[in-house]
Amino acid sequence: DIQMTQSPSSLSASIGDRVTITCQANQDISNYLNWYQQKPGKAPNLLIYDGSNLGTGVPSRFSVSGSGTYFTLTISSLQPEDIATYYCQQYDKLPLTFGGGTKVEIK
Amino acid sequence: EVQLLESGGGLVQPGGSLRLSCVASGFTFNNYAMTWVRQAPGKGLEWVSCISGSGGRTTYADSVKGRCSISRDNAKNTLYLQMSSLRADDTARYYCAKTYFALGATPYGMDVWGQGTTVIVSS
Repeated sequence: DIQMTQSPSSLSASIGDRVTITCQANQDISNYLNWYQQKPGKAPNLLIYDGSNLGTGVPSRFSVSGSGTYFTLTISSLQPEDIATYYCQQYDKLPLTFGGGTKVEIK
Repeated sequence: EVQLLESGGGLVQPGGSLRLSCVASGFTFNNYAMTWVRQAPGKGLEWVSCISGSGGRTTYADSVKGRCSISRDNAKNTLYLQMSSLRADDTARYYCAKTYFALGATPYGMDVWGQGTTVIVSS
């Protein structure tokens, strides 16, 4: 199975800060990567699909980069509504696998 | 409005069985592969299974293969997950999710999620 490793596992930042989350695959997955946002007590929401496409209604302060084995998700200016856990997910090979998640909190 | 509504979760003894259901609305159900994803308490997401739009192809995670069976009734816009030989480590919230694209039963990702149904395996 392809292992997805996210870092950090949690972070605390101030409103307006730039926040970056990394996701690493243990083998080349090209850009076959999605990102999800899960707010407390809610179901996950598709944030970024097919490597770089913003999901429906996702604000442009979210951006991604990377290919192969190393990927980043950046929030350019953290907002209160961004408090959530973020997961990356690869679909290069079955089984689909997710990163362990990055919990974003407000400082 | 696109919606998925799961049901069927509950408390079951180890070794027991349970059938989860997911009723879909707001989209052409048989056009999309559907998946189950679970989340153990306080843990991350784990893909469980996928079924093609026609229902003719299925895929499973190794952790449930042989113990779970995914199926769908396109006439009723309903997805199912039959679970048997349940173990404590099957305890989780189970989400039904629509794929935004799939090759047969090989999903790319999930763009619509239900709110989940909780399965607790305990004696």
